[in-house]
Amino acid sequence: DGGITQSPKYLFRKEGQNVTLSCEQNLNHDAMYWYRQDPGQGLRLIYYSQIVNDFQKGDIAEGYSVSREKKESFPLTVTSAQKNPTAFYLCASRPQGSDTQYFGPGTRLTVL
Amino acid sequence: DQQVKQNSPSLSVQEGRISILNCDYTNSMFDYFLWYKKYPAEGPTFLISISSIKDKNEDGRFTVFLNKSAKHLSLHIVPSQPGDSAVYFCAASKPGTYKYIFGTGTRLKVLA
Repeated sequence: DGGITQSPKYLFRKEGQNVTLSCEQNLNHDAMYWYRQDPGQGLRLIYYSQIVNDFQKGDIAEGYSVSREKKESFPLTVTSAQKNPTAFYLCASRPQGSDTQYFGPGTRLTVL
Repeated sequence: DQQVKQNSPSLSVQEGRISILNCDYTNSMFDYFLWYKKYPAEGPTFLISISSIKDKNEDGRFTVFLNKSAKHLSLHIVPSQPGDSAVYFCAASKPGTYKYIFGTGTRLKVLA
């Protein structure tokens, strides 16, 4: 059945290490998004991609990188340059012509 | 600068009564608004949306009202049910951008 998967659900990393969060969708959606959620805050946009091989910075892109080599996949790398990486990360996809986003279950990243 | 604001962090309502969740925005260029519902440790799910050419949209127990002059929208849930207990986010976008600004969320608790 179709959907968006994010793995792993929980991720721990040591300070100074890069880590890549996976996001895969089989909904055939063109657009994909990465958000982070911190306690008491809304979803803040990190990066988004409207089409394969193209992506744009969101509001808080510093310390993050993405790639969009395949329609189904939009991995997010949290680099050591991200000063406060501990957060809940959400991936979403959106079909062309619609404003409705479909979210994955999220990955909680904890930096030790 | 918070362009989309949900000033009530939490709301408690008795089962069967009406729940009213509010959202204010500052950017008059926003023309499409969405409400999402989120349970803990899960991704948000789409609830209902409204275009700026309308002032009301209804879907079952959920109705969204838009007051463009006041830059205000509200989500009404009637009747409220315990399963509605979740965090509700409003989001807004400008024409053709498909980039969404989320509010900070309101935690609704429906008391049985």
